[in-house]
Amino acid sequence: GQQLNQSPQSMFIQEGEDVSMNCTSSSIFNTWLWYKQEPGEGPVLLIALYKAGELTSNGRLTAQFGITRKDSFLNISASIPSDVGIYFCAGQDTGANSKLTFGKGITLSVRP
Amino acid sequence: DVKVTQSSRYLVKRTGEKVFLECVQDMDHENMFWYRQDPGLGLRLIYFSYDVKMKEKGDIPEGYSVSREKKERFSLILESASTNQTSMYLCASSFYDRPFYGYTFGSGTRLTVV
Repeated sequence: GQQLNQSPQSMFIQEGEDVSMNCTSSSIFNTWLWYKQEPGEGPVLLIALYKAGELTSNGRLTAQFGITRKDSFLNISASIPSDVGIYFCAGQDTGANSKLTFGKGITLSVRP
Repeated sequence: DVKVTQSSRYLVKRTGEKVFLECVQDMDHENMFWYRQDPGLGLRLIYFSYDVKMKEKGDIPEGYSVSREKKERFSLILESASTNQTSMYLCASSFYDRPFYGYTFGSGTRLTVV
């Protein structure tokens, strides 16, 4: 099945730094979502975006729905150790029962 | 607090055993999904179900089957476990007609086949 493009596979940052991740697709999506998976747990929804160009914040997290509808960005500001985990993007078409298409995820490590 | 509950966090099974992974959700979701997660490969869809007794193959159904006898419960079955099925298994659920809410995931079952 199709997957969204997330790279690199891993990122290493220093505590306090900002980090940016992007997610691209060859297809248009009408909803973009960002999930975080902490070690030993399932993914948890962080932010959902429903409109092209939309910019949404959730605490230190900010995400944007790309104008072309083929990409999305997640920024984490002033990182802290508990930001470690795997960050997945997901895209969804309209339609009553369209499935999510996921990226492979980016593993974020934060050095104290 | 709404949730998706997977019956086991860790399982160790022997090659050739029949393995059942159970998932229960309390959100009255119509859709339920089974994924496996492996390093570098992301989340791969095994099977999904839109309704009771309905099932559809995902991207990697070989070696697996599923059962959905009740709306809240979705079971993944490994008919004859093999070592290449050692993985993290994630169950998820969602509404049929509110796709913008995304999926709710369980905490996962880490299965080791020896």
